[in-house]
Amino acid sequence: AQSVTQPDIHITVSEGASLELRCNYSYGATPYLFWYVQSPGQGLQLLLKYFSGDTLVQGIKGFEAEFKRSQSSFNLRKPSVHWSDAAEYFCAVANQAGTALIFGKGTTLSVSS
Amino acid sequence: NAGVTQTPKFQVLKTGQSMTLQCAQDMNHNSMYWYRQDPGMGLRLIYYSASEGTTDKGEVPNGYNVSRLNKREFSLRLESAAPSQTSVYFCASRRNPGDGNTEAFFGQGTRLTVV
Repeated sequence: AQSVTQPDIHITVSEGASLELRCNYSYGATPYLFWYVQSPGQGLQLLLKYFSGDTLVQGIKGFEAEFKRSQSSFNLRKPSVHWSDAAEYFCAVANQAGTALIFGKGTTLSVSS
Repeated sequence: NAGVTQTPKFQVLKTGQSMTLQCAQDMNHNSMYWYRQDPGMGLRLIYYSASEGTTDKGEVPNGYNVSRLNKREFSLRLESAAPSQTSVYFCASRRNPGDGNTEAFFGQGTRLTVV
């Protein structure tokens, strides 16, 4: 069965510093991968997705993610973090039938000044 | 642009009471989902509906029932609420079942407390 692991429960980054959030997945075939962001009290918003082609994917708000098949990873990056990026971030993989998204447990990002 | 609309936003129930959470989408999507979100657990799939008239169990279906009333609406019912069902519930929709590369669009959530 598909699964997603986000090893870091909570990360604190200084404003202006770079960010990398880790995501590892378990899936037999080529995965469909997603990153979502959730601000407090809000629903989830899609940051970016990968399903084929270039392994470096650009998203909204200056985020990017790199798919590495050999490491079963899909890490999210941003070169310079802004205070407004403080939120919870979820990595997700589509299940084998493509009928639903399986989510990781999330990483909470705090931004210090 | 309404997207996915959930009602109510907040609800407090007593143990044993029943209620229905409503969800509607205006994007003409075929697939709809109910997830629950608990601290440290991420989002877990309760039920989904690949098309009007069909529903399937997800990871945590016990204690819930669903109804896909039409293409727009997908409701979640708690017949006899328990404190373990205290959670934030999210409804989502996607364009087509089997389209693994399409993202899900989420509602704003329903915060349910069972006392």
